Amino acid sequence: DSGVTQTPKHLITATGQRVTLRCSPRSGDLSVYWYQQSLDQGLQFLIQYYNGEERAKGNILERFSAQQFPDLHSELNLSSLELGDSALYFCASSVDQGGETQYFGPGTRLLVL
Amino acid sequence: GENVEQHPSTLSVQEGDSAVIKCTYSDSASNYFPWYKQELGKRPQLIIDIRSNVGEKKDQRIAVTLNKTAKHFSLHITETQPEDSAVYFCAASRNDYKLSFGAGTTVTVRA
Repeated sequence: DSGVTQTPKHLITATGQRVTLRCSPRSGDLSVYWYQQSLDQGLQFLIQYYNGEERAKGNILERFSAQQFPDLHSELNLSSLELGDSALYFCASSVDQGGETQYFGPGTRLLVL
Repeated sequence: GENVEQHPSTLSVQEGDSAVIKCTYSDSASNYFPWYKQELGKRPQLIIDIRSNVGEKKDQRIAVTLNKTAKHFSLHITETQPEDSAVYFCAASRNDYKLSFGAGTTVTVRA
């Protein structure tokens, strides 16, 4: 157990819908990272938040957005869902802004039908 | 930004043999190099890491080497076992900046 929690574990929804994925970082970690992993794909970095502020942005679609709250938990919002958005979504956390170990949560498996 | 390339993409080894995965990075300022192991459907887990002030680090059957001049680092797994079968990711970063991951290597250990 890494100490990073994600909910829900599984999510099944329909095209065009909107979902929210939630992540709680390890105690004391200030950075949260979101990754998308499609079948047989690597870890595609989406976005990083550090202490409530957006820190870095990857290949995140405009239909996707995220935020980090004062208690440091983070939410990833996916809207106008398409079949191709079906994937494992991982959250990771680290102590500082970067240059150190990231600890991954168990992931949320999203299936868009 | 940092670009990390990882080879090979797949690796099949006989149980008991060694496995080597190589990564190159582009940013000479990168100074932290972790390796993650991901079993099917599970989270990536850190297995070993190295910082740029060290050339080699070992942990039981796993070792990582770093060549800063050539900007490459490698993961070595000796005496491979079936439970070593997984996807392995290398990564690199510099101070105060996010990790950049390689594309992953799928390792299969044949019994």
